[in-house]
Amino acid sequence: GEDVEQSLFLSVREGDSSVINCTYTDSSSTYLYWYKQEPGAGLQLLTYIFSNMDMKQDQRLTVLLNKKDKHLSLRIADTQTGDSAIYFCAESISLGGSQGNLIFGKGTKLSVKP
Amino acid sequence: GAGVSQSPRYKVTKRGQDVALRCDPISGHVSLYWYRQALGQGPEFLTYFNYEAQQDKSGLPNDRFSAERPEGSISTLTIQRTEQRDSAMYRCASSLGTVSYEQYFGPGTRLTVT
Repeated sequence: GEDVEQSLFLSVREGDSSVINCTYTDSSSTYLYWYKQEPGAGLQLLTYIFSNMDMKQDQRLTVLLNKKDKHLSLRIADTQTGDSAIYFCAESISLGGSQGNLIFGKGTKLSVKP
Repeated sequence: GAGVSQSPRYKVTKRGQDVALRCDPISGHVSLYWYRQALGQGPEFLTYFNYEAQQDKSGLPNDRFSAERPEGSISTLTIQRTEQRDSAMYRCASSLGTVSYEQYFGPGTRLTVT
């Protein structure tokens, strides 16, 4: 079955790097995603990585994928108080050539202390 | 351009009533997804459409839940004879094409069944 696991909480100091980890079970995942949810707001697509890549960098964000261990991480450099939010890891599986639904983890609440 | 919009943003209803939740996807987006998110959890897939065709409804919890997208644009999720356990945030997402890997979420409808 499909399952996505994340640790529930992470606390860092402003200016430090944050690393949020995620494990998934379905080896047929095609894309893996990171979404950000701020209080009272919708889900914002932060970044994603195709399953045949092992790293993707986008400004302060670095995504690392270890397909063998089914482990995904999101590193936020120079974390700011505005990065405080819940971060969701998600996977999608291609279904007959179409992209199907996303399977989400429970989210990691990132708290950034000034 | 406008993002995904959902209405109403908040809905309080009495147990046993029917409710209809609306999703207006990003203009031109072919695929539309419905998810449900309980407090402290990640979104869970309900159903999705490519154009007006419902491709997968395996996530609908029971036959009180239905969805339609008659003209391939706006979609309605209907819950009949609501129960307290239906209380949740209902989220809609859209993506540009059937093989598009970027799903963009609306703000959600918070449903409370009393």
